[in-house]
Amino acid sequence: DAGVTQSPTHLIKTRGQQVTLRCSPKSGHDTVSWYQQALGQGPQFIFQYYEEEERQRGNFPDRFSGHQFPNYSSELNVNALWLGDSALYLCASSRDLDEQFFGPGTRLTVL
Amino acid sequence: QQQVKQSPQSLIVQKGGISIINCAYENTAFDYFPWYQQFPGKGPALLIAIRPDVSEKKEGRFTISFNKSAKQFSLHIMDSQPGDSATYFCAASALTGTASKLTFGTGTRLQVTL
Repeated sequence: DAGVTQSPTHLIKTRGQQVTLRCSPKSGHDTVSWYQQALGQGPQFIFQYYEEEERQRGNFPDRFSGHQFPNYSSELNVNALWLGDSALYLCASSRDLDEQFFGPGTRLTVL
Repeated sequence: QQQVKQSPQSLIVQKGGISIINCAYENTAFDYFPWYQQFPGKGPALLIAIRPDVSEKKEGRFTISFNKSAKQFSLHIMDSQPGDSATYFCAASALTGTASKLTFGTGTRLQVTL
């Protein structure tokens, strides 16, 4: 049984560009949450998707947007990248409100 | 009110010793408290979790102690091994709401020496 998968593993962008990160949830899971983890910090909640809708959002600007597809996979989009967006982006999946299981993350570097 | 405070920031324990990491929360709506283990370059892995209807939960060498009145919970790692060297995060969530956002502590870097 494959766990949560994320792509790409690493990504380098320049300031002002846009990026799309992808996540496939664990089999049987219908909820996807996205977190940003800066170096040496705990993960910070960005938003959560359930039934293709954003169910809850953390304290992140509108530059951060997402989508969930009918097969429960999800995308995180970040527009107008700036240096402070450099971080490990984590996707977690769950069965509705149950325990969240994290993927390996996408390391985004903004130059 | 959403904060979860974690201590210590780093911890060095000898092999076979007990590692203890503490967390405190403010939001009384939190009703689910997981601990995650993270190795460098990897995503956090769920280690053990507790709900406030019990004061202690044990799984193998890992034990969570929970004090609802003090709004504190802790992770004890018995017989610590070098393979336990990682960063540990406590977290909290209010599952009775319409979503399950996890609020994380700042992490504890554990080093188990030989």
